[in-house]
Amino acid sequence: DGGITQSPKYLFRKEGQNVTLSCEQNLNHDAMYWYRQDPGQGLRLIYYSQIVNDFQKGDIAEGYSVSREKKESFPLTVTSAQKNPTAFYLCASSTRQGFETQYFGPGTRLLVL
Amino acid sequence: AQSVTQLGSHVSVSEGALVLLRCNYSSSVPPYLFWYVQYPNQGLQLLLKYTSAATLVKGINGFEAEFKKSETSFHLTKPSAHMSDAAEYFCAVRTDAGNMLTFGGGTRLMVKP
Repeated sequence: DGGITQSPKYLFRKEGQNVTLSCEQNLNHDAMYWYRQDPGQGLRLIYYSQIVNDFQKGDIAEGYSVSREKKESFPLTVTSAQKNPTAFYLCASSTRQGFETQYFGPGTRLLVL
Repeated sequence: AQSVTQLGSHVSVSEGALVLLRCNYSSSVPPYLFWYVQYPNQGLQLLLKYTSAATLVKGINGFEAEFKKSETSFHLTKPSAHMSDAAEYFCAVRTDAGNMLTFGGGTRLMVKP
């Protein structure tokens, strides 16, 4: 079955630690996205990538980094510079033809110890 | 710039009653509009989308939405609520930067027996 997988489901971060969230898709989509979800604030775009080896900052990129070395994968690193990382993180993907639906993964909940 | 306003962060209905979730948007380009549903601790699932074809859009699980340009609205309705409809619902609009979406703050639907 085609879809988007995110791992881990829960992730705990210690003070000063970088952590990486995984996102993999087998939908053959060119575009991938990372969103942060906080209660009552909807989804906010962190980074997006329209093609391999290229990515752009979204609305709240500070304290985060990404890479796009393969079409299928778009990992997100939450760095120690992100002072309030506790949130639900959602990865999505879409084609780039015309305007297409974004499909979402199941999410990763990041908690700070 | 695009924006989405969802009126009512929480809506409570009785089982069998009409569901009405409100969404108003602003967009500098012809809007493409989406409704997504999120069950607890899960990703977002597409309910329906408007892409300039018919103004009344039918989606999954008996939901539909009507695009009203004069009112800049895209309200979501369902004639008869089921307990399984309890979830958070997000309205989103395409940005003028292409495939990016701007999300509303979400509406949590509660269904009383």
